[in-house]
Amino acid sequence: AQSVAQPEDQVNVAEGNPLTVKCTYSVSGNPYLFWYVQYPNRGLQFLLKYITGDNLVKGSYGFEAEFNKSQTSFHLKKPSALVSDSALYFCAVRELIKAAGNKLTFGGGTRVLVKP
Amino acid sequence: DAGVIQSPRHEVTEMGQEVTLRCKPISGHNSLFWYRQTMMRGLELLIYFNNNVPIDDSGMPEDRFSAKMPNASFSTLKIQPSEPRDSAVYFCASNHQRVGGYTFGSGTRLTVV
Repeated sequence: AQSVAQPEDQVNVAEGNPLTVKCTYSVSGNPYLFWYVQYPNRGLQFLLKYITGDNLVKGSYGFEAEFNKSQTSFHLKKPSALVSDSALYFCAVRELIKAAGNKLTFGGGTRVLVKP
Repeated sequence: DAGVIQSPRHEVTEMGQEVTLRCKPISGHNSLFWYRQTMMRGLELLIYFNNNVPIDDSGMPEDRFSAKMPNASFSTLKIQPSEPRDSAVYFCASNHQRVGGYTFGSGTRLTVV
């Protein structure tokens, strides 16, 4: 079975400082990995994904994430955080085996608060 | 592309009433997902469809919940009878099976009083 862990319920960072949101996953085979962001009273918005290839993937709004197979991690990063990055962030995994179907499994979410 | 469209945006109903939530997926997407989001339980997958066929409904809380997808462009999630603990934001999402990520709707905020 596939699973995702986001160990931090909340991350606080000052504007202009680097932002990291942690994610680890567990799958039997190779994973598809995703990050989504949710702003207040909105649905989840796609940020970026890792399917294959370069371990460093770049996404929307200046975010990037690094796939680390040995550590089974897919941490989200932004070099310089903005107040507008304050939101709820979700990591998700899909297992690349037929039995897993088309189902994404989401982590519990990490609330990011960027202070001016 | 109008995205995934959900209606209504907000629903307030009395305990015991029937509630129907609606979703129109993105044209061409062949998978549709219903999620529920609460502070206590986070984001929960209720049910998902591939090509209009329910594939996994193991997340449906109990028999009061039912979901249908009569065609590729429409799905409903029904709660009958509704209870206060059903209060949550319900999201619909769709994707094409070959593509990894989902597109989410804006959600329906359900309040059962």
